[in-house]
Amino acid sequence: AQSVTQLGSHVSVSEGALVLLRCNYSSSVPPYLFWYVQYPNQGLQLLLKYTTGATLVKGINGFEAEFKKSETSFHLTKPSAHMSDAAEYFCAVSDPNDYKLSFGAGTTVTVRA
Amino acid sequence: SAVISQKPSRDICQRGTSLTIQCQVDSQVTMMFWYRQQPGQSLTLIATANQGSEATYESGFVIDKFPISRPNLTFSTLTVSNLSPEDSSIYLCSVDGTGASDTQYFGPGTRLTVL
Repeated sequence: AQSVTQLGSHVSVSEGALVLLRCNYSSSVPPYLFWYVQYPNQGLQLLLKYTTGATLVKGINGFEAEFKKSETSFHLTKPSAHMSDAAEYFCAVSDPNDYKLSFGAGTTVTVRA
Repeated sequence: SAVISQKPSRDICQRGTSLTIQCQVDSQVTMMFWYRQQPGQSLTLIATANQGSEATYESGFVIDKFPISRPNLTFSTLTVSNLSPEDSSIYLCSVDGTGASDTQYFGPGTRLTVL
């Protein structure tokens, strides 16, 4: 079974500041890990994913995340926040055997001018 | 990635009625999934819909309440039956990516309000 914990339900950053969203997972098998973003009144958009290989993965809109097996973490970062980054972000984990996604509770990001 | 559409985008329904939500994909996909997102909460998987077989439901979800059809590789429907205000949620379908079946891509969602 898989589960995800996102630390911090709300994060507020200044425009141009670092964005750091924390995600820890629990999985009985080597997991696949994902970050999705949801803009108001929209569906989910894939930001990036880790399946195998390089542990530092780069995604769209300047986001990246690093898979750290020893820490069971998959934190999402962006060096410089933009106003358009205001949204809700979900970390998710799946079992490679059935691809079912388990989502974290989500983190709402607000960006201050 | 696949282009996914859902109909309706939103609806307001009366208690005791049913709503059928359609999910259409622009390419053939193996797996389709239905999720519920209750107000202010995360997504919960309702069921997996595979073409040619019965849907597989997650714990807490039953076929009588959430019947699903999957008549072909590009289309699925979810019906939410005997509606109550607790069913007010966003319902999203997702599909496994063509050529990248380890990744799910989501439709825009259907916002249901039950009065």
